[in-house]
Amino acid sequence: NAGVTQTPKFRVLKTGQSMTLLCAQDMNHEYMYWYRQDPGMGLRLIHYSVGEGTTAKGEVPDGYNVSRLKKQNFLLGLESAAPSQTSVYFCASSYKRLERQFFGPGTRLTVL
Amino acid sequence: GENVEQHPSTLSVQEGDSAVIKCTYSDSASNYFPWYKQELGKGPQLIIDIRSNVGEKKDQRIAVTLNKTAKHFSLHITETQPEDSAVYFCAATPGSWGKLQFGAGTQVVVTP
Repeated sequence: NAGVTQTPKFRVLKTGQSMTLLCAQDMNHEYMYWYRQDPGMGLRLIHYSVGEGTTAKGEVPDGYNVSRLKKQNFLLGLESAAPSQTSVYFCASSYKRLERQFFGPGTRLTVL
Repeated sequence: GENVEQHPSTLSVQEGDSAVIKCTYSDSASNYFPWYKQELGKGPQLIIDIRSNVGEKKDQRIAVTLNKTAKHFSLHITETQPEDSAVYFCAATPGSWGKLQFGAGTQVVVTP
C-alpha cells in the first residue's frame, strides 16, 4: 500500500517551458487535491477533484490546469512556467470531504 | 474569504516541557479543524483533528481545544520529545464544502 505518490521529486524548468506533475493514490479515495507550499505561507489549494472526471478551482488556480481521467490519478500541468511558480507542490487525497487528507512526499519545482 | 492566523511562527522548548500553538479563524461556518505535522523533506501528516460540536480532544500527549465563540483553537503537546521537532500547521474549513485553509505554520524545536 504505497498511499500517495508523486512524480517527479525534483524538476528545474526554464521560463516558458511546460510540464506535468503526476499524483497517484491506491486508497480508492474520491477526493484529490493539489497544493503549493511557499515559505511563510502554509499550503494553498490550487485545484481539487471530487471524483473521476471532475475538477474545480482552488485558491490559486491561475497558470495551472488539472485532469482526473482515472480515479487514482490527478495530474497538474503548467503550460508556460513562470519564476513565480517556483515552489514545493503537494498532492493529497481523502475518502470524503471534511476527513483526513493523506499527502504525498512533494515535488520541488524551480523555474529559472 | 477565510483567514487563518497561526502563532507563534517559531517555538523553542526544552525536552519534557509543554508546547502550545494557537490559531484563529474568521469564518464562523468552519466546522472541521485539523492539525498537521510536517517533518523536513516530507509531506504533512494529520496528527489530530476536531469538529465544531466538540470542545476538546486528546490523543496521548497531544490535545486540541476549540472555542467557537472566540473563533480560536489550540494544539497542546505535553512532555515534548526531540521527535516532536517539526513544522505544525493548523487548518480551518470555510464555507460549506470543506476545503482546507491552512495557517502559515509553526516551527517547533525541542532541545534535549
